[in-house]
Amino acid sequence: KNQVEQSPQSLIILEGKNCTLQCNYTVSPFSNLRWYKQDTGRGPVSLTIMTFSENTKSNGRYTATLDADTKQSSLHITASQLSDSASYICVVIDRGSTLGRLYFGRGTQLTVWP
Amino acid sequence: EADIYQTPRYLVIGTGKKITLECSQTMGHDKMYWYQQDPGMELHLIHYSYGVNSTEKGDLSSESTVSRIRTEHFPLTLESARPSHTSQYLCASSEVVRSTDTQYFGPGTRLTVL
Repeated sequence: KNQVEQSPQSLIILEGKNCTLQCNYTVSPFSNLRWYKQDTGRGPVSLTIMTFSENTKSNGRYTATLDADTKQSSLHITASQLSDSASYICVVIDRGSTLGRLYFGRGTQLTVWP
Repeated sequence: EADIYQTPRYLVIGTGKKITLECSQTMGHDKMYWYQQDPGMELHLIHYSYGVNSTEKGDLSSESTVSRIRTEHFPLTLESARPSHTSQYLCASSEVVRSTDTQYFGPGTRLTVL
């Protein structure tokens, strides 16, 4: 079973609308959680990195939240644009070693329609 | 924009051929990675390197091999390609400082073995 589960698997919204993507994880011990955006045919690009003590972090129209107690994170996209169409990947890093091991979710495929 | 490059971007090749996927980064990062990603699935780590002359196998068993003769270069080789090797291969790099450091991904190589 994957230790990082994302929902929904896919999502279609209209341009200008808001949306929230979910990430639940079981990785332990926890170091940090990242959200990546992956455009079709491209490599993932980091949006946010959140450590244990951070509850919320914003990057422009992207706001990530983290509840380390319930092991849940969300990525909220405000006023969506056509360029937001992409796969959004949740990645959790453990602190079992100095460099940390990465656990990847399967991503949420977001499509923004005009 | 990350300074990490992969060539070729797309490769269609016949069974039994030897192939090398190139990955180069100009950021001076010590740690480099190769991931394999199938459509709709999570990234799987197949190889990583802590620095020159250091290579390790990742979580997903792979018939490919890697080398790290120079800091900036981390090529992946398949001695005899098979249809089961058809996938997207992503190269990444990061500084070896702490586990919150961002991984920078290349654009990927889409490999199809006929």
